[in-house]
Amino acid sequence: GAVVSQHPSWVICKSGTSVKIECRSLDFQATTMFWYRQFPKQSLMLMATSNEGSKATYEQGVEKDKFLINHASLTLSTLTVTSAHPEDSSFYICSASDGLIIREQYFGPGTRLTVT
Amino acid sequence: KQEVTQIPAALSVPEGENLVLNCSFTDSAIYNLQWFRQDPGKGLTSLLLIQSSQREQTSGRLNASLDKSSGRSTLYIAASQPGDSATYLCAGRYNQGGKLIFGQGTELSVKP
Repeated sequence: GAVVSQHPSWVICKSGTSVKIECRSLDFQATTMFWYRQFPKQSLMLMATSNEGSKATYEQGVEKDKFLINHASLTLSTLTVTSAHPEDSSFYICSASDGLIIREQYFGPGTRLTVT
Repeated sequence: KQEVTQIPAALSVPEGENLVLNCSFTDSAIYNLQWFRQDPGKGLTSLLLIQSSQREQTSGRLNASLDKSSGRSTLYIAASQPGDSATYLCAGRYNQGGKLIFGQGTELSVKP
């Protein structure tokens, strides 16, 4: 149980375009979802937290107009990287919890984004 | 400031050896601590979750301990195998609903 999927697993896009990454909870209702970013050989950096039906809460230093997060249902959250630049190239990982009070999170397999 | 630190950043051991990975955290009022495994280019696999009221958790060849007074957690891997090679991350949560704070990870290599 507690499976989280991401799509696509990898994506290459041209500079200036936008790309959308999907995160789905397959066997539970994800009341809260999290988006992380990971650079090579580094740990995970939390970008934002979202509750279903509410606006996401972004961490300090994360541009909310650049990284659009939508958590429209209890099983789906999307991260859209708008006007992508090469420095946005990274590994993006989503995570989900089945409650507003977070006790444990379940992580997706990640999406490798390369901006050329 | 609540921080989680892992030392060493990398560790190489011969197959069959027992090993310990270390994790330290700055605030003893930790709610729970979780150990993850990450293979190259992959997401995180949860290994063990220890609540603040627990001292240790075991799963197969893995044993994780939690000592709040010293601000330390260890992940013990018995009889290591080449398939154990991966990056191991520990992460602490300081209250219900609080965010996970990750350590930098220890990259483990088990040589056949």
